[in-house]
Amino acid sequence: KAGVTQTPRYLIKTRGQQVTLSCSPISGHRSVSWYQQTPGQGLQFLFEYFSETQRNKGNFPGRFSGRQFSNSRSEMNVSTLELGDSALYLCASSPEGVGGYTFGSGTRLTVV
Amino acid sequence: AQSVSQHNHHVILSEAASLELGCNYSYGGTVNLFWYVQYPGQHLQLLLKYFSGDPLVKGIKGFEAEFIKSKFSFNLRKPSVQWSDTAEYFCAVNAPQAGNMLTFGGGTRLMVKP
Repeated sequence: KAGVTQTPRYLIKTRGQQVTLSCSPISGHRSVSWYQQTPGQGLQFLFEYFSETQRNKGNFPGRFSGRQFSNSRSEMNVSTLELGDSALYLCASSPEGVGGYTFGSGTRLTVV
Repeated sequence: AQSVSQHNHHVILSEAASLELGCNYSYGGTVNLFWYVQYPGQHLQLLLKYFSGDPLVKGIKGFEAEFIKSKFSFNLRKPSVQWSDTAEYFCAVNAPQAGNMLTFGGGTRLMVKP
């Protein structure tokens, strides 16, 4: 059974640019969540999608957005990148959105 | 909003020593509790989880955790650590009534000396 796949693994972007990260959940999992991991703030919840609808949103500015497609794949977008957006972005999927979260390897974003 | 505290930020142990990592959460309602481990250069992996029932939960690799509701705690234990247990450990809470997200503690870096 394939795990949660995140692409790309690494990204380097310049301040002011935008970026799109992709997540393919485990087959059959309909809930996809995104988290930001930084040394200073730890792991913070960004948002969660279930059946193409955003169900929950963390305390991040509107520059952070996401979406989910009918096949449960999800993307997150960060516009107008800032240096502080440098982080490891993790995606997690679960079958029905409660418990049993499986994480991907993450996308490491560096903003220069 | 719920919060999670892991009081030990860094722990250094010798092989075969016993391990206990503290985790306390603040939320008055029903919670689901998790411990995740992140080995160097690897992704988060689920060690164990508690939803309901027996408060003593056994996970992978010999880890266990005990949910003490009255203390809002979910401490992780292992009787005898190995060098391969060197990793960062995260406690996390999900409060279903508050939505489907995990709130993580700050993590504990464990170093096991051979």
